[in-house]
Amino acid sequence: EAQVTQNPRYLITVTGKKLTVTCSQNMNHEYMSWYRQDPGLGLRQIYYSMNVEVTDKGDVPEGYKVSRKEKRNFPLILESPSPNQTSLYFCASRKEGQPQHFGDGTRLSIL
Amino acid sequence: AQTVTQSQPEMSVQEAETVTLSCTYDTSESNYYLFWYKQPPSRQMILVIRQEAYKQQNATENRFSVNFQKAAKSFSLKISDSQLGDTAMYFCAFMKLGQGAQKLVFGQGTRLTINP
Repeated sequence: EAQVTQNPRYLITVTGKKLTVTCSQNMNHEYMSWYRQDPGLGLRQIYYSMNVEVTDKGDVPEGYKVSRKEKRNFPLILESPSPNQTSLYFCASRKEGQPQHFGDGTRLSIL
Repeated sequence: AQTVTQSQPEMSVQEAETVTLSCTYDTSESNYYLFWYKQPPSRQMILVIRQEAYKQQNATENRFSVNFQKAAKSFSLKISDSQLGDTAMYFCAFMKLGQGAQKLVFGQGTRLTINP
């Protein structure tokens, strides 16, 4: 089954404790992105990647890192999480000219 | 930069009624896609319908159709014969086409409730 898999689905953690949200897709898609969803703001792009080792900033990249060492994986790293990064996060992937496939979302709470 | 505006934060209709969700966008691009996504309480992002800007014909998917007015930069979603399962948050989104264009720009969302 074609899918984008994010882990964990839920995480409660504390300020400053490094965390990684994993994202994996099994569709051999070139493009992958991370978004965060906040009430009243819709979804905003954090980072995106056009292929292995090619990444770039989206609209709200501060406080986040990504890497794309393999085509299928695109982890999101919060080196020193802060409460303003409490949000719902989505990973997405797609092929050129096709709509995005979204993961099921990760609810992060930073205390 | 592109912006997408959904001016209706919440809407509520009775089951079987028709409802129209509004979306306007601002861009200087000529080649782009527009989308409507549905987010039910399960939080999944589900593609409802998409429209290529170069196509004049409005897209239709079963009970869902759009009214795409390119000159007015308007992209509304009409849901006919609404059902309880249509209750969700709906997002309008824009994507520029072309090399390096990878970003979906979303509106703020409209929370739609279908009442029995």
